[in-house]
Parts: sequence; structure tokens; C-alpha cells
Amino acid sequence: DGGITQSPKYLFRKEGQNVTLSCEQNLNHDAMYWYRQDPGQGLRLIYYSQIVNDFQKGDIAEGYSVSREKKESFPLTVTSAQKNPTAFYLCASSISRSPDTQYFGPGTRLTVL
Amino acid sequence: AQTVTQSQPEMSVQEAETVTLSCTYDTSESDYYLFWYKQPPSRQMILVIRQEAYKQQNATENRFSVNFQKAAKSFSLKISDSQLGDAAMYFCAYRSSTIQGAQKLVFGQGTRLTINP
Repeated sequence: DGGITQSPKYLFRKEGQNVTLSCEQNLNHDAMYWYRQDPGQGLRLIYYSQIVNDFQKGDIAEGYSVSREKKESFPLTVTSAQKNPTAFYLCASSISRSPDTQYFGPGTRLTVL
Repeated sequence: AQTVTQSQPEMSVQEAETVTLSCTYDTSESDYYLFWYKQPPSRQMILVIRQEAYKQQNATENRFSVNFQKAAKSFSLKISDSQLGDAAMYFCAYRSSTIQGAQKLVFGQGTRLTINP
């Protein structure tokens, strides 16, 4: 099946730890995105990548880092510098950097203990 | 910067009835894209419908249709013959058509839709 997978579904982190959220797609999409969703709110863009080995900051990039070494993969690292990391994280992809429809993965719920 | 506003935090409708969810947006651009996404309890975002601003015809997808009023910057979603499976959070989203602006979706706050059997 073609689609976007995210793992793990639930993630718990102790304060001061870095954690990495996985996002993989087999849709042959060029562009990938990371969004954050807080309770009762819409999504906000953290980082995006249009092509391999290139990525750009979104609106709330502080405390996060990404890499794009392969077309299929766009992992997000939540660093200890992120002051309030507890949230729901959604990965998305689209065919190209043109304004095409973005398709979303199932998300990862991150909780800081 | 573009903004999207959904003024109805919650809506409810009887099964098989019709409901309309409101969305307004603010932009200085003339060409852009608008979307409605559904987020059920599983929390996965599912595309419901998409509208290109340059198209005058309103988009439809089976029981879902939009009323796109470009001059008023309004983009409402109509769900006909509501079904229990339609219960979810619904998000309106804007996407610029420019290369610089096309990299993100700007989301509204969402409307929680409840279907009463």
C-alpha cells in the first residue's frame, strides 16, 4: 500500500532528552513537511523539505531539527531546547513544491514526563 | 500573512440532515488553494475537498460540497445526508500559489462536528 507512516505512535520523553520521530513515505513525493498540533488548535509548520539534502524552517522551528538524506524519509528530532514539546506531531508529503495537495501520516503523540 | 478563521468551535446535526461549516480567510493574493481536512478520533488528517481560487465552479465530492465566495473570502463546507462516520474535527486550510508561500498550509482553529443518531 502507498502511504505515509510515522513511528512511534506514542512517545514519552524525560526532560533534557532528545527524541527522534520517524516519517517515511512510499508515494514518491518530493516534498515533505512536519507540523505540530496543540490541543484545540490547528496545525503549525515546523520544517519542510522540497528535495533531498535540503530543508527550510517553518513558523516554529526553534528547538527542532530535521534531515533529508533520502527521498522517502524525513525524521524530526525534538531537542532539549524545545521548551514545551508535549504535542501531536504530523508528517505530510506532496508531489512537488508546487501547491499540490498535502497528504498526512497518522501522527505521533509526544509527552514529556 | 494569511489567516484562516473558523468561527464555530462546535456544531451538531441530526443524522441524514445537512450541515454547513463556515470558514473565512484573509489574504492579499489573487491565486491560492483552499482545503477542508477532516480529523477523526484517530487524529489522522484526511483531505475532504480542495478548491482552486481561479476556478469559479464550487468543488464537490459526493456528499461534500463547498460554497466559495472569493470576494467575501469565504469558504464554507456543506455536508449532505450526514452520517455517523462524519463526526470529526474539520479544519479549513489555505495554501498560497507562490513558490515561496506554497510550502505550508495555514489552518483554522477547527470545528468539532457531532452527529446525533
